Amino acid sequence: AQSVTQPDIHITVSEGASLELRCNYSYGATPYLFWYVQSPGQGLQLLLKYFSGDTLVQGIKGFEAEFKRSQSSFNLRKPSVHWSDAAEYFCAVGAVETGNQFYFGTGTSLTVIP
Amino acid sequence: DVKVTQSSRYLVKRTGEKVFLECVQDMDHENMFWYRQDPGLGLRLIYFSYDVKMKEKGDIPEGYSVSREKKERFSLILESASTNQTSMYLCASSPSGDSYEQYFGPGTRLTVT
Repeated sequence: AQSVTQPDIHITVSEGASLELRCNYSYGATPYLFWYVQSPGQGLQLLLKYFSGDTLVQGIKGFEAEFKRSQSSFNLRKPSVHWSDAAEYFCAVGAVETGNQFYFGTGTSLTVIP
Repeated sequence: DVKVTQSSRYLVKRTGEKVFLECVQDMDHENMFWYRQDPGLGLRLIYFSYDVKMKEKGDIPEGYSVSREKKERFSLILESASTNQTSMYLCASSPSGDSYEQYFGPGTRLTVT
């Protein structure tokens, strides 16, 4: 069965520091991978996505993620965090074989301290 | 921009009531989804629909039903609300084909007392 693991429930970083949020997936076929961000009281906004091709993908708000097939990972990174990045981050995996159904991780809550 | 709207941001209902959560999208998307979001559990799929009058069960359909009479509207129905259905409910839509991401509404926080 498909699954997505976000090992870090909560992360705290200082403003201006670099950030890496981890995501591991379990899926046999070639997955489609996504990172979403959810600000308090809001819906989910797409940060970036990977379908195929270049394994390093750029997203909005200065985020990037790298697909590593050998490690079944799709970690999200940002070189310098801003206070406005404080939010909940969700990794998701989908595939044509699953009929457009996504599987979400449990999320990582990011706190940014000044 | 794609817009997904949900009928209520906050809703309080009593145990045993029938509850309707409405979702409307304005981008002619074929696929629509209902999730519930609970702390520590992430998003779990309740039902989805890939066409009008079509529906598929997700991972946690028990206690819920759905209706899709028009392409732009997807309703989630709690036939008899229970306290364990207190949650954040998120609706999403996506086009068919290669453009695959889901677009989310703002969510409805439902409290069942």
